[in-house]
Amino acid sequence: EAGVVQSPRYKIIEKKQPVAFWCNPISGHNTLYWYLQNLGQGPELLIRYENEEAVDDSQLPKDRFSAERLKGVDSTLKIQPAELGDSAVYLCASSLGGSKNIQYFGAGTRLSVL
Amino acid sequence: GQQLNQSPQSMFIQEGEDVSMNCTSSSIFNTWLWYKQDPGEGPVLLIALYKAGELTSNGRLTAQFGITRKDSFLNISASIPSDVGIYFCAGQNSGNTPLVFGKGTRLSVIA
Repeated sequence: EAGVVQSPRYKIIEKKQPVAFWCNPISGHNTLYWYLQNLGQGPELLIRYENEEAVDDSQLPKDRFSAERLKGVDSTLKIQPAELGDSAVYLCASSLGGSKNIQYFGAGTRLSVL
Repeated sequence: GQQLNQSPQSMFIQEGEDVSMNCTSSSIFNTWLWYKQDPGEGPVLLIALYKAGELTSNGRLTAQFGITRKDSFLNISASIPSDVGIYFCAGQNSGNTPLVFGKGTRLSVIA
């Protein structure tokens, strides 16, 4: 069974450019998460989807970040415009839900903003 | 955002030695999780703990959910080179609430 798939694995852009990351969760997982992981830190939640609905986006910087999960399967996270401080790893995770809601992570997209 | 206090930050051990790391929080959690992250990869779940006092093993790994629900530890016995990586603890209050991660313990194993 395929795990959580993310692309691209690496992205280098200049500041003020837009960038988008894509995530395909494990088949059948209704819940999808985007996390930000800065160097030397643990992941921090940006947004959580239940199917196509964003149910927790309180940590998403909405002035420049946006996300969508139109059909309740794959998801895109966008930054426009990117800033130097956005350089980090962006992780996607998915889960089945329920009381023991184990989250499975993708390999992440490493973003470098120059 | 909120993070857990994880220690030590890093450790260097000889192959075959046992390892212990722990995680503390100022607030209680109902679930404690331990993940391992290899370079260039996402975190992979090692052990999940759902009950205060619970002691769970996964091969050479053993983790415990503290009685106060504010701490957890992870032990690795007889370390091997492939144990190298960053170990993260994470706390969660319920299945629908965010995972709160520690800053990780970076483990290096010297052959």
